[in-house]
Amino acid sequence: DAGITQSPRHKVTETGTPVTLRCHQTENHRYMYWYRQDPGHGLRLIHYSYGVKDTDKGEVSDGYSVSRSKTEDFLLTLESATSSQTSVYFCAISSTPPPNEKLFFGSGTQLSVL
Amino acid sequence: DQQVKQNSPSLSVQEGRISILNCDYTNSMFDYFLWYKKYPAEGPTFLISISSIKDKNEDGRFTVFLNKSAKHLSLHIVPSQPGDSAVYFCAAMGRNGGSQGNLIFGKGTKLSVKP
Repeated sequence: DAGITQSPRHKVTETGTPVTLRCHQTENHRYMYWYRQDPGHGLRLIHYSYGVKDTDKGEVSDGYSVSRSKTEDFLLTLESATSSQTSVYFCAISSTPPPNEKLFFGSGTQLSVL
Repeated sequence: DQQVKQNSPSLSVQEGRISILNCDYTNSMFDYFLWYKKYPAEGPTFLISISSIKDKNEDGRFTVFLNKSAKHLSLHIVPSQPGDSAVYFCAAMGRNGGSQGNLIFGKGTKLSVKP
């Protein structure tokens, strides 16, 4: 398995609170991604990063921000969590730029916003 | 509007038989297609891919067929095994980069292979 660690694995929070999810990789891959998976929607891209301090929005970026201050860490922040952000969040990495053929995914973070 | 569609949420197959998972796409700029497999509580893992210059790609028990004129692809698993029980995601991208260079996923099909 690619060295990708997502933390926390599970989190329950209340509406309106800030939440930060962390993705840590030991592969030294340049490209990192945050996806969310919801029933009936499959995987949708939230934000991605092409390198340190180089990030961009994906398909469903509203309500989310990201930061990449080090190659190995990609943080996803929900500034004020809402119930619609209850989801499973996956981090993915790649050594090649888009169009990239293969992403390596972490095991996911289950987030529940009550 | 969904650009990658997997219209069957679930599929049940007997062990040893063929599993056929289908995927349709609407964006004519897509020219590379992938299948990912996902077990519960794990992240998706890459399974097989196909470029638009081909109509078939095979890897062991897994074969992907592409029909560009119909904007349709299918994943065949022969013979199916209980360990193949998982959710299968179809994904597509365009090789000319930009936002099309990022993978667009379908909703997934849950395959159950019965012993």
